[in-house]
Amino acid sequence: GNSVTQMEGPVTLSEEAFLTINCTYTATGYPSLFWYVQYPGEGLQLLLKATKADDKGSNKGFEATYRKETTSFHLEKGSVQVSDSAVYFCALSDASGSEKLVFGKGTKLTVNP
Amino acid sequence: DAGVIQSPRHEVTEMGQEVTLRCKPISGHNSLFWYRQTMMRGLELLIYFNNNVPIDDSGMPEDRFSAKMPNASFSTLKIQPSEPRDSAVYFCASSRVRGEQFFGPGTRLTVL
Repeated sequence: GNSVTQMEGPVTLSEEAFLTINCTYTATGYPSLFWYVQYPGEGLQLLLKATKADDKGSNKGFEATYRKETTSFHLEKGSVQVSDSAVYFCALSDASGSEKLVFGKGTKLTVNP
Repeated sequence: DAGVIQSPRHEVTEMGQEVTLRCKPISGHNSLFWYRQTMMRGLELLIYFNNNVPIDDSGMPEDRFSAKMPNASFSTLKIQPSEPRDSAVYFCASSRVRGEQFFGPGTRLTVL
């Protein structure tokens, strides 16, 4: 079945550090890939997405590239801020047409000033 | 533009009581999802509707849980009877584009 594996957290960085959160997936066909972010006390929000191989999703300084050959969708940001402290979820929507998202377990990021 | 609205935001009840959680999706969205989030089990999809019709309820834990969507602007998740292990944050989300889900603020349920 479809699955998403994220690097385990928590991740603690200093402000302006470079961020990478690894995400790999298992799916048949060509899924769409997503990163969601959950700030403390809130619901999840869509951060970025990519729908086909080699697509790059970007938003708020975050980027992720859909790599079919390595089945990966790693999240990166060049310079994190304290306000980026949150839990980040990688997710996929498979090619079957189902509306369901398969989420990773989430990676908690803390950015210290 | 209002986002997904959930009520109540917090609910504290005693074991055995009935609990009803409510959700108003974003206008124009045709899919609605109910999730449960706990530290132990993470984020779990309970059920989702498309055009008010339940499509996949395989995540509903047991017969104590039921969900309805009588119209395009309202859904309920009911737990009867509630148990302490049902304590969690319950999220409703809606979507118009596959994969792009908009989450509500959640209902934090505590069953004593």
